[in-house]
Formats: sequence, C-alpha cells, structure tokens
Amino acid sequence: KAGVTQTPRYLIKTRGQQVTLSCSPISGHRSVSWYQQTPGQGLQFLFEYFSETQRNKGNFPGRFSGRQFSNSRSEMNVSTLELGDSALYLCASRSGLVLAGVGETQYFGPGTRLLVL
Amino acid sequence: DAKTTQPTSMDCAEGRAANLPCNHSTISGNEYVYWYRQIHSQGPQYIIHGLKNNETNEMASLIITEDRKSSTLILPHATLRDTAVYYCIVRENQGAQKLVFGQGTRLTINP
Repeated sequence: KAGVTQTPRYLIKTRGQQVTLSCSPISGHRSVSWYQQTPGQGLQFLFEYFSETQRNKGNFPGRFSGRQFSNSRSEMNVSTLELGDSALYLCASRSGLVLAGVGETQYFGPGTRLLVL
Repeated sequence: DAKTTQPTSMDCAEGRAANLPCNHSTISGNEYVYWYRQIHSQGPQYIIHGLKNNETNEMASLIITEDRKSSTLILPHATLRDTAVYYCIVRENQGAQKLVFGQGTRLTINP
C-alpha cells in the first residue's frame, strides 16, 4: 500500500498570506490527524478528522483550520501567516475502525515544510 | 495522557544492541506504550507498541516492566541508519487519538 502523501513538500510564503496544505491518507484509512513541529515546541497536535468531521482539536488559534473530504483526503489551512508558523506540518492517518481495546497505529507522511518570511 | 521521561541523548556502536529506556510511572491500565522514531526532517516512523506483554517485530523489541511503569526499546543490531530521535508515547486506545510527543531521545549510532 502507498503511504501517507503530503503536498506540497516545501512552501515559502510571506506574512499575512494564507496557505493550504494537502494530505492523502493510506488507502482505506478514514482518520487524518495534523501535527505541527517546530524546534521550540516540538511536535504538537493540531486536529483530527474522521468521516469529514473534526473529532479532536489541539490548542492552536482559529487561524488554523482543516477539513476532510468524502474520500478521506484532508486539507489544512493557515490564514494570516505569522513568522512563528514556520514549521514542518505533518499528517498522520489511521484506519478509524477501532472502537475499543486494540491499539490503532497512526502512520505519518513526510511532511510539508513551510517557511514564512 | 500519561507523561514519559526519556534520556536526552544516547550513543551506541554500530552492530551493537541499542537499548532506549522510557519511564511512564503514571501510566493507566488502558494506555499503550508506542515508539516512533524520526530521522532528520522526515515524518515520524512507527516502530512498535505494546500494552503489558513484551513485543517483537522486524524492527525492534519492546520490553515492558511488570508494573508497566517503564519500558525499553531494543534495536538488536544497530546500523548507522538507526540514527534518529526516538519518541516513547503512552496513549489510550479509545477516545482522543492524538499523540503527545515529548522531546525524545536522540540516538547516535557510531561506526
């Protein structure tokens, strides 16, 4: 099976602009989570989508948003970019079939590296 | 989610076993121990996970103490490609599925 794919891999934007990142999960996976990684804060959870609904959200401002499509592909958007938004943005997918009891592993994509100037 | 404590860095000689410890003294009964690693600038790679029994796969072994308050990830024959940051995470299996990453252990394999 192909792994999680993310596009674009690299992106340069300027302050005040907005950006949209895309994630295609592993085939058959219905849950997509997004994480931000910076040298100062490490890896932090942004949000999770399952069946087109946001199921969980991290502690990020409203400028960070996302959505999921019926084919489970997901996008995240950051509006009014700030210098501090420069980071590696990671997407992870899992099957979403687990209701209880069995560990469900998240698999990560390669990330999108965003640089805000 | 329970918090984990890992050494900041470790070194290991190529070909030797690398043993990476993790303390999770506040782990609760329904929380699993997960290990991921991240090679520079790539996405985290899943290695292994377990609940209370020791686990082994093609990449590594996971030894969990009987009281579940600590665990050790073992890479049996470390190679230079195993140089990475290794994250130990404890997580519930239901409800919130977010992973809470600490700072991890920077493992350097030396030739």
